[in-house]
Amino acid sequence: DTAVSQTPKYLVTQMGNDKSIKCEQNLGHDTMYWYKQDSKKFLKIMFSYNNKELIINETVPNRFSPKSPDKAHLNLHINSLELGDSAVYFCASSQVTPTGVPTGELFFGEGSRLTVL
Amino acid sequence: GQSLEQPSEVTAVEGAIVQINCTYQTSGFYGLSWYQQHDGGAPTFLSYNALDGLEETGRFSSFLSRSDSYGYLLLQELQMKDSASYFCAVRINQGGKLIFGQGTELSVKP
Repeated sequence: DTAVSQTPKYLVTQMGNDKSIKCEQNLGHDTMYWYKQDSKKFLKIMFSYNNKELIINETVPNRFSPKSPDKAHLNLHINSLELGDSAVYFCASSQVTPTGVPTGELFFGEGSRLTVL
Repeated sequence: GQSLEQPSEVTAVEGAIVQINCTYQTSGFYGLSWYQQHDGGAPTFLSYNALDGLEETGRFSSFLSRSDSYGYLLLQELQMKDSASYFCAVRINQGGKLIFGQGTELSVKP
């Protein structure tokens, strides 16, 4: 059983198209994230949800819209794709301590490699 | 702004010990994590230090000095499979936001 799974693994699409990436975790974690890893391997946080509530929203273009239908799922929809959106997008989840604070341990999915032509 | 500095590349031989340093300047600090990522793979968690001192987990150890805004990852008895990128990451707030360094590419030679 994969702990954090995301689909699709690969996406090749044309500029201007809209695409979605889905993520599911079966770890029972309350917090989920989207990270973007560029060609230089730099990992940058985009969004975070805690129990379906948006808690981190970095300076990401509003073409990117996350949706969390329940605490086990966090999807990412991207409108009007641009060349610069080409990257690997990682979904991750983390547990919280008994006081409700996320730990420093993230569990990452395998990544979704997006190529915009 | 937030900045984490770590060397971009380190090379070592099998069986050796290597230390990857990380210095940070962040708006908040709740702890320092280390992650390993093999080419084409997902980052995987190695360690987390919230308090000063050394944490040991098998061949890997991690150290933190909050007063120096500094930490390191120590890898002992290097194996070929340890060739990967290693990222330090600082948790900067109670909401769990992690800021990652640029990564250190470790090459282990025979």
